[in-house]
Amino acid sequence: KAGVTQTPRYLIKTRGQQVTLSCSPISGHRSVSWYQQTPGQGLQFLFEYFSETQRNKGNFPGRFSGRQFSNSRSEMNVSTLELGDSALYLCASSSQGDWRNTIYFGEGSWLTVV
Amino acid sequence: GESVGLHLPTLSVQEGDNSIINCAYSNSASDYFIWYKQESGKGPQFIIDIRSNMDKRQGQRVTVLLNKTVKHLSLQIAATQPGDSAVYFCAEAFNQFYFGTGTSLTVIP
Repeated sequence: KAGVTQTPRYLIKTRGQQVTLSCSPISGHRSVSWYQQTPGQGLQFLFEYFSETQRNKGNFPGRFSGRQFSNSRSEMNVSTLELGDSALYLCASSSQGDWRNTIYFGEGSWLTVV
Repeated sequence: GESVGLHLPTLSVQEGDNSIINCAYSNSASDYFIWYKQESGKGPQFIIDIRSNMDKRQGQRVTVLLNKTVKHLSLQIAATQPGDSAVYFCAEAFNQFYFGTGTSLTVIP
């Protein structure tokens, strides 16, 4: 069974631009969550989707948004990029309706904002 | 916000020795905990989990201990191997998952 797939793996953007990251969960998984990882802050929760509905959201500004499609694939978008948005963005999926279950991560998308 | 802290940012052990990685969590209402391993350039990999109704759980070469009284979690790795070198995170589930910044484990051959 294929794992969580994230694209693109690496990207460089300029301040003020916007970016869209994509995530394909493990087959059969309906919950997708997104995390930002930086050396100083560690892994921080962005949001979680289940059956196309956002169930939970972390403490990030409105520039960070996401969505989930009917096939459980998910995208996250960051608008008006800032230098501080440079990070590894991780997507995780879970098979359970209850979010308190094991989440499996993808390899991440490395975003550099210059 | 919630914080999940690790006592030591780095840990070095000799190959073949046992490793213990500790984690202090913040919220006594957290009821699910996970340990992850992250190798350089890769995403976090699930190691083992434990629910708050248990105090110990064993996997292959790994054991997680949960002490709810002091809000402490530990990961024990038996017979540590070079391939175990990585950053290890604990996570607690409260209203969302909260992760620590990690402990970097280095295995000395």
